[in-house]
Amino acid sequence: KQEVTQIPAALSVPEGENLVLNCSFTDSAIYNLQWFRQDPGKGLTSLLLIQSSQREQTSGRLNASLDKSSGRSTLYIAASQPGDSATYLCAVSPVTSGSRLTFGEGTQLTVNP
Amino acid sequence: GAGVSQTPSNKVTEKGKYVELRCDPISGHTALYWYRQSLGQGPEFLIYFQGTGAADDSGLPNDRFFAVRPEGSVSTLKIQRTERGDSAMYLCASSLLGPQEQFFGPGTRLTVL
Repeated sequence: KQEVTQIPAALSVPEGENLVLNCSFTDSAIYNLQWFRQDPGKGLTSLLLIQSSQREQTSGRLNASLDKSSGRSTLYIAASQPGDSATYLCAVSPVTSGSRLTFGEGTQLTVNP
Repeated sequence: GAGVSQTPSNKVTEKGKYVELRCDPISGHTALYWYRQSLGQGPEFLIYFQGTGAADDSGLPNDRFFAVRPEGSVSTLKIQRTERGDSAMYLCASSLLGPQEQFFGPGTRLTVL
């Protein structure tokens, strides 16, 4: 059974810092990995999708990497801003059994002005 | 519409009652997913539709939960004889085809008193 772990569970940084969020998964037979942002009481916003054949994806100040063989992904946020404060979730979809996403528990990020 | 929509945004009901939660996917998306998220946890998969049929319903917790998508677009999640443990955020997502990038709606917050 696939298990996804995110470290740290919570992170507080001053504005302007570069930071890294970590995601690990136990079964490397994945189809893709997706990073999401969730604001309190809201739905999920897709940030980046990495296919299993890719090593990284970039969008603005965000860069996500994938090392499928070691079961790890990182989300790098450059020059953090208070508006980046949210919970960040990673999720993987399996090669088999269709498209169901398995999520980690998230990293709660606070960027202090 | 431009994104996934869910109604109602909030639902408060009494233990033992029946509830229906509705999801309107992005137009043209053939795949639709339901997830449930408890406070402080990542979302957990419930059911996945490809077109009108349930391709994977292995995440439904018991036979009180049922979902339909009769015309391959709008989906309804139905919960019978609600219990306090059913209280959670119910999230719907859609993708163009499975498995591809999933786009989430704002969720329905269900509270069972």
